[in-house]
Amino acid sequence: KQEVTQIPAALSVPEGENLVLNCSFTDSAIYNLQWFRQDPGKGLTSLLLIQSSQREQTSGRLNASLDKSSGRSTLYIAASQPGDSATYLCAVRPTYSSASKIIFGSGTRLSIRP
Amino acid sequence: DTEVTQTPKHLVMGMTNKKSLKCEQHMGHRAMYWYKQKAKKPPELMFVYSYEKLSINESVPSRFSPECPNSSLLNLHLHALQPEDSALYLCASSQGGTDRATEAFFGQGTRLTVV
Repeated sequence: KQEVTQIPAALSVPEGENLVLNCSFTDSAIYNLQWFRQDPGKGLTSLLLIQSSQREQTSGRLNASLDKSSGRSTLYIAASQPGDSATYLCAVRPTYSSASKIIFGSGTRLSIRP
Repeated sequence: DTEVTQTPKHLVMGMTNKKSLKCEQHMGHRAMYWYKQKAKKPPELMFVYSYEKLSINESVPSRFSPECPNSSLLNLHLHALQPEDSALYLCASSQGGTDRATEAFFGQGTRLTVV
């Protein structure tokens, strides 16, 4: 059974710092891994999608990497801003599911201090 | 257009009420999902529809009844809910079918309170 873990559960850093969020998964048989952002009480916003054959994806100040063999992904945020404060969730799509199940990690609550 | 629209945004219902949540997408996606999210927890999968057919039911109580009337719409009918069913209900869609390596898009959710 696929399990997804995110460490740390919460992180507080001063504005301007570069930071890394971690995601690990137990089964490397995945189609892709997706990073989401969620503001309190809101829905999920897709940030980056990495296919299983890819090593990384970039969008603006965000860079996500994938090491499928070791079951790890990182989300790198450069020059953090207070507006980056949110919960960040990673999710994998396992190949064993015929109906494209998406399995989430527990999230990292990020707070950027002005 | 990468939007998944959910209505209503907020819903308060009594334990004897019947209500429905609605989800709509116009991206041509053939897989649609219902998730339930409690505070400070990750989303939990409830149902998956693939090509308008129910393909996954994660042992959800029968007081939740999903319906997919067409490829763009997904409903969740609610009846005789309990206070512990209060949560954020999220709808999502993705390409589905044999092309499973595609991006999932989520709606803004319906905040449900059962009194």
